[in-house]
Amino acid sequence: DSGVTQTPKHLITATGQRVTLRCSPRSGDLSVYWYQQSLDQGLQFLIHYYNGEERAKGNILERFSAQQFPDLHSELNLSSLELGDSALYFCASSVLTGAGNTIYFGEGSWLTVV
Amino acid sequence: GDSVTQMEGPVTLSEEAFLTINCTYTATGYPSLFWYVQYPGEGLQLLLKATKADDKGSNKGFEATYRKETTSFHLEKGSVQVSDSAVYFCALTGNSNSGYALNFGKGTSLLVTP
Repeated sequence: DSGVTQTPKHLITATGQRVTLRCSPRSGDLSVYWYQQSLDQGLQFLIHYYNGEERAKGNILERFSAQQFPDLHSELNLSSLELGDSALYFCASSVLTGAGNTIYFGEGSWLTVV
Repeated sequence: GDSVTQMEGPVTLSEEAFLTINCTYTATGYPSLFWYVQYPGEGLQLLLKATKADDKGSNKGFEATYRKETTSFHLEKGSVQVSDSAVYFCALTGNSNSGYALNFGKGTSLLVTP
């Protein structure tokens, strides 16, 4: 158990809908990262928050957004869903941010768009 | 940009065989290097890491040495077990522009047979 908690574990929704994925980082971790894992794209970095502020964006679509709240939990919002958004979405956290920092991953949220 | 290249899988070995999974990287600066493992149906777990050249990371019988001259971080284990069957990901930390998010290779699937 990494200490990173993600909910829901599984989600099935229809095209065009909107979903919210939730992440609670490890106790004391200030950094939260979101990743998307799909068979064709592999593990793609989406976005990074540090202590409530957005720090970096990766390959995140404009239909997707995220935020980190004062209690440090984070939410990833996915809207106007398409079939191709079906994937495993990981949240990860670390104490700080930096080159040698160890990043711990949650078990992921499986999203299926039908 | 920074990237990681892993050997293509799947790799199939008999129990107690020697394992090598090749990983090479391209990066500006001096990234930290990681191996993560994903067991079936689970999230990503940190297996080992190295933060500077010539460092050796080790855990659970797995080892990898940070080789700056060959830009490599190959994963090795002397005697694999059936329980080592999983997907292995090599990764490096990005730079400050990405919030030091991890860049992953495509993963190498390992199947160990009795």
